[in-house]
Amino acid sequence: QKEVEQNSGPLSVPEGAIASLNCTYSDRGSQSFFWYRQYSGKSPELIMSIYSNGDKEDGRFTAQLNKASQYVSLLIRDSQPSDSATYLCAVNPEGGGSQGNLIFGKGTKLSVKP
Amino acid sequence: EPEVTQTPSHQVTQMGQEVILRCVPISNHLYFYWYRQILGQKVEFLVSFYNNEISEKSEIFDDQFSVERPDGSNFTLKIRSTKLEDSAMYFCASSGRWSGDFNEQFFGPGTRLTVL
Repeated sequence: QKEVEQNSGPLSVPEGAIASLNCTYSDRGSQSFFWYRQYSGKSPELIMSIYSNGDKEDGRFTAQLNKASQYVSLLIRDSQPSDSATYLCAVNPEGGGSQGNLIFGKGTKLSVKP
Repeated sequence: EPEVTQTPSHQVTQMGQEVILRCVPISNHLYFYWYRQILGQKVEFLVSFYNNEISEKSEIFDDQFSVERPDGSNFTLKIRSTKLEDSAMYFCASSGRWSGDFNEQFFGPGTRLTVL
């Protein structure tokens, strides 16, 4: 059973701080990793994708991937109250017949306090 | 900016009735997906679709479910005989490619299905 694990939170940070969100996955052959943001009652919104070991930065967001440790993280710098949402880690377990379907974690709820 | 659209936003139905959920994927995308999210639970993959046929389906996608691309723009999910446990948010997603750097899937706003 391929699994994606996240701490459910809530993770509470003050405005302007760095929020750090973590995710581990079970399928060592996974190649594609994604972070989605989901506001309550809304659909997942793609924030970042990462495919290679190391860091990938996009504005205030940095995704980090360590395939040896099967670990993905998302850093949000200068957190804003509008960043308060549930952050979903998703993994595409390519290979073994997978056709691009994503396996999602349960999500980490982030609360940014003004 | 192109986006995935879904209709209706909310569907209420009686147990045993058939429902059809509709999606218009992003116009130049080739791969289409349905996911569902039961309230308070994780997003779960249902089915992927490419070149007018199912590429992969999950255990959830049993004989009660079917998908179709009836024309060049719409992508539908049919539930033949709804059960109470089918109540969930159903999301359509599309992507340009299924592997490599381009499997970024973009989600529609969802259809909330309530089965009474």
